[in-house]
Amino acid sequence: GAGVSQSPRYKVAKRGQDVALRCDPISGHVSLFWYQQALGQGPEFLTYFQNEAQLDKSGLPSDRFFAERPEGSVSTLKIQRTQQEDSAVYLCASSLGLLAGVRGETQYFGPGTRLLVL
Amino acid sequence: GIQVEQSPPDLILQEGANSTLRCNFSDSVNNLQWFHQNPWGQLINLFYIPSGTKQNGRLSATTVATERYSLLYISSSQTTDSGVYFCAVERYETSGSRLTFGEGTQLTVNP
Repeated sequence: GAGVSQSPRYKVAKRGQDVALRCDPISGHVSLFWYQQALGQGPEFLTYFQNEAQLDKSGLPSDRFFAERPEGSVSTLKIQRTQQEDSAVYLCASSLGLLAGVRGETQYFGPGTRLLVL
Repeated sequence: GIQVEQSPPDLILQEGANSTLRCNFSDSVNNLQWFHQNPWGQLINLFYIPSGTKQNGRLSATTVATERYSLLYISSSQTTDSGVYFCAVERYETSGSRLTFGEGTQLTVNP
């Protein structure tokens, strides 16, 4: 596809359940990002991959959050033992990232997954 | 980390009016992007503009990097322009490859 895709678009989970959110970046994009957007706020950074390497996970709010990108393309964000405060929109973005350490590239965002934890 | 402030937080216009949205940032940046978030939550890229001026139809943007601000101009606004406008910046040296977003400007264009 031409853009970043995410699935599912909506997810309702009971408190304590594990969830897995999927991101398909733009084909050929090396860099992949996850952001969390709470209601009424701007997105906040969670984690960053360059190919399959997770170079920055400093934004993950707790050890219940785990992300992977094993083959350098599709990425999965997993949240274990979900809590109500995890309710948010989870956004995935990708950029070309052709060179390690390249700075200042346009990031393209997917439609997001709306997670509601009851 | 770098701070991003957007103003105004809310803006209500009549169709056909012009508007200016502002983004101030606290340090020099490698990347600055303007986004429009539509009512379905999709972040739509408007401009990649770490410096200089760009125009795309009724929209234009100017970033004065030395003074650490960017402006987004919307002319002849339409109801479809409604939504939240975000400014986001990247400063690789201190924050790595991440965008830091402002709180957004909620724009409502009435018919």
